[in-house]
Amino acid sequence: EAQVTQNPRYLITVTGKKLTVTCSQNMNHEYMSWYRQDPGLGLRQIYYSMNVEVTDKGDVPEGYKVSRKEKRNFPLILESPSPNQTSLYFCASSLGLAGYTGELFFGEGSRLTVL
Amino acid sequence: GQQLNQSPQSMFIQEGEDVSMNCTSSSIFNTWLWYKQDPGEGPVLLIALYKAGELTSNGRLTAQFGITRKDSFLNISASIPSDVGIYFCAGQPFRTGTASKLTFGTGTRLQVTL
Repeated sequence: EAQVTQNPRYLITVTGKKLTVTCSQNMNHEYMSWYRQDPGLGLRQIYYSMNVEVTDKGDVPEGYKVSRKEKRNFPLILESPSPNQTSLYFCASSLGLAGYTGELFFGEGSRLTVL
Repeated sequence: GQQLNQSPQSMFIQEGEDVSMNCTSSSIFNTWLWYKQDPGEGPVLLIALYKAGELTSNGRLTAQFGITRKDSFLNISASIPSDVGIYFCAGQPFRTGTASKLTFGTGTRLQVTL
């Protein structure tokens, strides 16, 4: 089954404790991206990756890092989480330049609470 | 970054009623997309629009790409309980390329009463 898998789905942590949210897709997609969803603000892009070893900032990258060492994986790293990073996070993937139609495939989301 | 304005922010409707929502932008887009997020899930693409004035249907859903290219509309006919969720519009300035320039709206939360 084609899917984007995120882990963990739920996490409560404390300020300053480094954490990583993993994302993996099995569709051989070139493009991957991270979004955060906050009430009244919709989905805002954090970082995206056009392909392996190619990453770029989205609209709200402060406080986050990403890496793309393999095509299927795109982890989101919070080096020193703060309470304003409490949010619902989504990983998404899509075909790259050759076949992009506008469709993003989203994971089920990771709800993060930073105390 | 830019955000798209969606209206209404939320709505309660009765089962069987028709629903209308819209999305507006200060910039021109060449692709408009509508996604739906079920409770506890990630968004899923409903309809994609690629041409100004285009009207596209997907079952009970109909979406239109505004003539000005700065807005889009989504209509749901004869709503049912499973229509509950958050509807997001998304737009981007290109017809092809990647999702890197995709901008999402603030969402319309739909709740259906029996």
